[in-house]
Amino acid sequence: EAGVAQSPRYKIIEKRQSVAFWCNPISGHATLYWYQQILGQGPKLLIQFQNNGVVDDSQLPKDRFSAERLKGVDSTLKIQPAKLEDSAVYLCASSLRAGQNNEQFFGPGTRLTVL
Amino acid sequence: AQKITQTQPGMFVQEKEAVTLDCTYDTSDPSYGLFWYKQPSSGEMIFLIYQGSYDQQNATEGRYSLNFQKARKSANLVISASQLGDSAMYFCAMRENSGYSTLTFGKGTMLLVSP
Repeated sequence: EAGVAQSPRYKIIEKRQSVAFWCNPISGHATLYWYQQILGQGPKLLIQFQNNGVVDDSQLPKDRFSAERLKGVDSTLKIQPAKLEDSAVYLCASSLRAGQNNEQFFGPGTRLTVL
Repeated sequence: AQKITQTQPGMFVQEKEAVTLDCTYDTSDPSYGLFWYKQPSSGEMIFLIYQGSYDQQNATEGRYSLNFQKARKSANLVISASQLGDSAMYFCAMRENSGYSTLTFGKGTMLLVSP
């Protein structure tokens, strides 16, 4: 079974530029998550989708971050414009459905460096 | 207040020895789940073990076991017979059953296994 795919693996941009990340979840997984992991910290949830609808985006900085999940499969996360503090690893995860004991499967992440 | 606290920034253990990684949590929700993830240097988050708040027995998965002490709100991970490949960051996480059931992670513990 293929895992969660993410691209690119690495991205370096200058502040005020735009960047987009792509995620393809495990086939059949209805729930998709985007996390931000700053160096030395645990992942922090940015946004959670159930199929193509947003369930929780309370920690997403909506003035610069946006995400979509068209057709309930692939998802893109965009930052526009980027700031220095956005340097982090962006992890995508998926699960069969939301719920207490539904295991989340993580992708390899995209490491973003903002100069 | 932090929901997940991991007080050990780093731990050292010799190969074949057992090691305990500490995790305490804070919640008023009677129904919740506790997770441990491993993050090697390659970056992906690997699910290790799950404990539900109503589970009567401590969870075990191969060399991993979870020492769940509900009254003390602790969920320590025990790794028996450490291997060199166990060297990685380890994250404790909690999902409360109320709200959006999102995962909240601790800051992690770096485990180094020496020969």
